[in-house]
Amino acid sequence: AQSVTQPDIHITVSEGASLELRCNYSYGATPYLFWYVQSPGQGLQLLLKYFSGDTLVQGIKGFEAEFKRSQSSFNLRKPSVHWSDAAEYFCAVGASGTYKYIFGTGTRLKVLA
Amino acid sequence: EAQVTQNPRYLITVTGKKLTVTCSQNMNHEYMSWYRQDPGLGLRQIYYSMNVEVTDKGDVPEGYKVSRKEKRNFPLILESPSPNQTSLYFCASRGSTWDSPLHFGNGTRLTVT
Repeated sequence: AQSVTQPDIHITVSEGASLELRCNYSYGATPYLFWYVQSPGQGLQLLLKYFSGDTLVQGIKGFEAEFKRSQSSFNLRKPSVHWSDAAEYFCAVGASGTYKYIFGTGTRLKVLA
Repeated sequence: EAQVTQNPRYLITVTGKKLTVTCSQNMNHEYMSWYRQDPGLGLRQIYYSMNVEVTDKGDVPEGYKVSRKEKRNFPLILESPSPNQTSLYFCASRGSTWDSPLHFGNGTRLTVT
C-alpha cells in the first residue's frame, strides 16, 4: 500500500540553524513528490515538487529537497532557518495513474529566537 | 485574486443533522478534492473530482457525499453527521496535470456533538 512517513512529529531549531525534515514513502513506481507548508489558521502552500530529472529540487522560501530512490526518501532542507518558518510541514505523494494524494502526518517546526 | 473559498469557516452541529460545506474556486481548475485533517493523522483525502460530473473516492469517503455539477463548485455533504466527523476540512483545486500545484482553501472547522 502507498504510504508516506514523517518520523518527526515536532522539531525545534534555533534561528539561523540548518534544518532537515525527513520524509519516507512507499510506492511501487516513482511517485510525484511534494512538500507543503501550513501556517497557523491557513491552508497548505506548495514549497516544492519532484517529478523526474535532477534529484535536488529548489523551492520557495529558500527550501530544497533531495530525492533518493535507494532510500525512498525526499527530505526537506534549509541552510538557515528564519523565525517565520515556524509552521507545520507535510510531505505528500501523488499516485500516478490515479488522482490521489497521500499526505504524511506532518512535522511541526518551532524556531527559537 | 486566485482563490479557493470554503464556507463556513466554523460549524457546530448535532448528530444526524444534514449539512453542506461549500467550496468554490475561480481558477477554472479541472481537479478538486476534499481532505480532513486530524491530529496525528495528517491530511486524508475524502473525495476528488477530475471534472464536471466525474468524482471518485479517496481514502476516507465513508459518511460523506460530493457533487460536481459545475466546474467551479465542489460541495461536501454530510447527510447524517456523527461525532467522529469532527475535524478540520480542506478543499483544494488544481489544473488537469500533476504539474499544477494544489491550491487550498482556508479550512472549515466542524464540530459534531
